[in-house]
Amino acid sequence: DTGVSQDPRHKITKRGQNVTFRCDPISEHNRLYWYRQTLGQGPEFLTYFQNEAQLEKSRLLSDRFSAERPKGSFSTLEIQRTEQGDSAMYLCAEGGEGPTDTQYFGPGTRLTVL
Amino acid sequence: AQSVTQLGSHVSVSEGALVLLRCNYSSSVPPYLFWYVQYPNQGLQLLLKYTSAATLVKGINGFEAEFKKSETSFHLTKPSAHMSDAAEYFCAVSDNTDKLIFGTGTRLQVFP
Repeated sequence: DTGVSQDPRHKITKRGQNVTFRCDPISEHNRLYWYRQTLGQGPEFLTYFQNEAQLEKSRLLSDRFSAERPKGSFSTLEIQRTEQGDSAMYLCAEGGEGPTDTQYFGPGTRLTVL
Repeated sequence: AQSVTQLGSHVSVSEGALVLLRCNYSSSVPPYLFWYVQYPNQGLQLLLKYTSAATLVKGINGFEAEFKKSETSFHLTKPSAHMSDAAEYFCAVSDNTDKLIFGTGTRLQVFP
């Protein structure tokens, strides 16, 4: 059991609104990842942190998206001016500190943009 | 660049039958491969992973996978399906920055 929690579990918003998601890993892993999963697809990488440093961002992460991990523990993902195309499941994972290291996923936040 | 391809978006088997979920990889370097399972409204759970230590990898819930370099495959099998195995299964490869690249998934249905 990884103990990764995500809040909220579900979010419904209107187009143009801002939303913020939170990820709380329990373990003291240095790495934290964000992925996005749309219906019928596998998760796609968005960004990851090594402690508080954001080391890589996917091209999927437009300038409307911002992620932070201020103290190297919990992380937030904010989407500004949401669009219908942002509707997806947003997954957080901890671990993955090497190519063979397991990533432990949280339950995800399902975003629906109306 | 690494990638994985999962053949068959849906697989249906009878309870007690063999489960075979296919995954082929593309990688210019020795790959590290993973199988994850996702139950409805839940996150992904690791079933097993290939780290080059052994080509036949045993995982949780009776699943196993065999790494075949000559076929660039890492198919997931289980000798006897249970109703509780119904879920979506994802094959993934880790790239040179350790992030996971997932396939499109295979939904497994198990009929009584």
